[in-house]
This record gives sequence, C-alpha cells and structure tokens, in this order.
Amino acid sequence: EAQVTQNPRYLITVTGKKLTVTCSQNMNHEYMSWYRQDPGLGLRQIYYSMNVEVTDKGDVPEGYKVSRKEKRNFPLILESPSPNQTSLYFCASSLLNEQFFGPGTRLTVL
Amino acid sequence: AQSVTQLDSQVPVFEEAPVELRCNYSSSVSVYLFWYVQYPNQGLQLLLKYLSGSTLVKGINGFEAEFNKSQTSFHLRKPSVHISDTAEYFCAAGPFSGSARQLTFGSGTQLTVLP
Repeated sequence: EAQVTQNPRYLITVTGKKLTVTCSQNMNHEYMSWYRQDPGLGLRQIYYSMNVEVTDKGDVPEGYKVSRKEKRNFPLILESPSPNQTSLYFCASSLLNEQFFGPGTRLTVL
Repeated sequence: AQSVTQLDSQVPVFEEAPVELRCNYSSSVSVYLFWYVQYPNQGLQLLLKYLSGSTLVKGINGFEAEFNKSQTSFHLRKPSVHISDTAEYFCAAGPFSGSARQLTFGSGTQLTVLP
C-alpha cells in the first residue's frame, strides 16, 4: 500500500531533550516536506526537500533541522525542544501536483 | 508567494442540508488549488484539485468546487451532507510554475453536521 508513515504518533517530552520524528514514504517520491498544524493557523511548512541531499527552509524553520540521506526517509530533528514547539506535525511526499500526508505526530513539550 | 483565506472557521449544518465552505486566494502568479479533508485524529486526504480546464471540479464523497478567477475564489460545495462529513477542511494553493509541492494552506474550516 502506498503510504507515508511517521513515528512516533504521540510524544511527550521535556524542554531541551533532543528528539527525532521519523518519516518514510514508499512511493519513490523526490519531494518531501514537514508541516506543523496549530489551531487557527492551518498548516505551515517547516522544511522541504526536493531530492536526496537537497533541503530548504519553509515558512517556520526556527528550532528544527532535517536531513535527507535517502530518498524514502526525511526525519525531523528538534535539537532543543521548547514548549512553543508543542504541535501536530505532518510529513508529506509529493509527485507532481498532489501531496500525500502521513498520519501526524502529536508532540507535547513540557 | 500566495495566501489563502478561509472565511469561516466553523460551519454547523443539519444533516441532508447543502453546505458551502468558502476559500479566497491571493497570488502574483497562477496557482493550482486544492481542498483537503482531515477527519479526527487522521492525516489530510485530498478531496479535489483544480489544475486547469473546466472550472467546476468534482471530488470524492460528493463534493465539488468552482474556480472563479475574477473573484479569486475556490468555494467547496456539497448538495446534501451526512454526519460522516464532519471534519476539518483545508483549502490550499500552490504555484502554477513547476509543481504544487509548495502549498500554502488556509486556516481551516470545521464542518459539523448535526442530526
């Protein structure tokens, strides 16, 4: 089944403790992206990647890092999480004109 | 760059009634337009998209949307809603040049269908 998977689905952590949210797609898409969803703000793009080893900032990149060492994986890294990064995170991959979204990761930073 | 405005944050409607969810966009270039649906505790699912051609676009679950270039709108409609349509709906725009990879989303409209 063609899909985008994310892990973990739920995470509660404390300020400053580094974490990684994994994202993987099995559709051989070149383009991948991370969004955060906050009430009343819709989805805002954090980072995106046009292909392996090619990444760029989206609208809200501060406090996040990404890497794209393989085509299928695009992890999101929070080196020192803060409470304002409490949010619902979505990974997406894209072929041409449609983005396919993962199920989301709900992160709470205490 | 583009911006997307969803004019209603919440839309309550009774079952079997028609519904319209409004979306306006602003862009200096031509755009592709999308509607996504998010059911509780799930990711986003594509409802429909406008790329070119006919301005009336039909999607899944009986939804349709009409692209109006002069009014820069892309409103979503359904003639008769069901309880199962209760969800959050997002309008999105992406630049026509290249691909729709860099989407700008509206803030979402929560549709609640009442029995």
